[in-house]
Amino acid sequence: EVQLLESGGGLVQPGGSLRLSCAASRFTFSTYAMSWVRQAPGKGLEWVSAISGSGGTTYYADSVKGRFTISRDNSKNTLYLQMNSLRAEETAVYYCAKDLRWGGDITGTRDSWGQGTLVTVSS
Amino acid sequence: QSVLTQPPSVSAAPGQKVTISCSGSSSNIGNNYVSWYQQLPGTAPKLLIYDNNKRPSGIPDRFSGSKSGTSATLGITGLQTGDEADYYCGTWDTSLTAGVFGGGTKLTVL
Repeated sequence: EVQLLESGGGLVQPGGSLRLSCAASRFTFSTYAMSWVRQAPGKGLEWVSAISGSGGTTYYADSVKGRFTISRDNSKNTLYLQMNSLRAEETAVYYCAKDLRWGGDITGTRDSWGQGTLVTVSS
Repeated sequence: QSVLTQPPSVSAAPGQKVTISCSGSSSNIGNNYVSWYQQLPGTAPKLLIYDNNKRPSGIPDRFSGSKSGTSATLGITGLQTGDEADYYCGTWDTSLTAGVFGGGTKLTVL
């Protein structure tokens, strides 16, 4: 069974930075696109960013473009999200999720999700 | 405001059937596959339906999906109290080059 384990969440001040990690196991990491999806307390799911299996293609939600950077290290089976200039309204649980389709292309379907890591942006 | 529109809540009695709608546009639902996710309280989302109407292994056939034009529907029959959860539709938006979700629908089994 696929395993995704997020880490790196915590308390950060507005304007601060944080890097999230997602350790993947039990599947061939480099052959699947990956995504970050967040969920503010009591709110719905919000897609944040996605990266192709090779890392050569990335997409971002308009709300985070220019401030967040998604990346991956296929040799370490790890996905990252570098978050800069954080805002209070970005307080949320951040989930990493694996794309459904083998091959590495980004699609709109995520078949495995981590347990999430909480990011709190507050002074 | 979510790109995809879902009703905030639906309810039905145990054993009954319920449907949850998801409305979008030609740039998302109209030209891409729709997936549905179930989120039980305090847990991560779980894939329920993919490619509009396919069920992953382990998902009972009480759950079904359909798509017509720019709208999609999730159906759940034989409702159980354990089905109480938030349900989200999702797809890719070709114009935005972004993943999109509905705002979520809270299912209450009375």
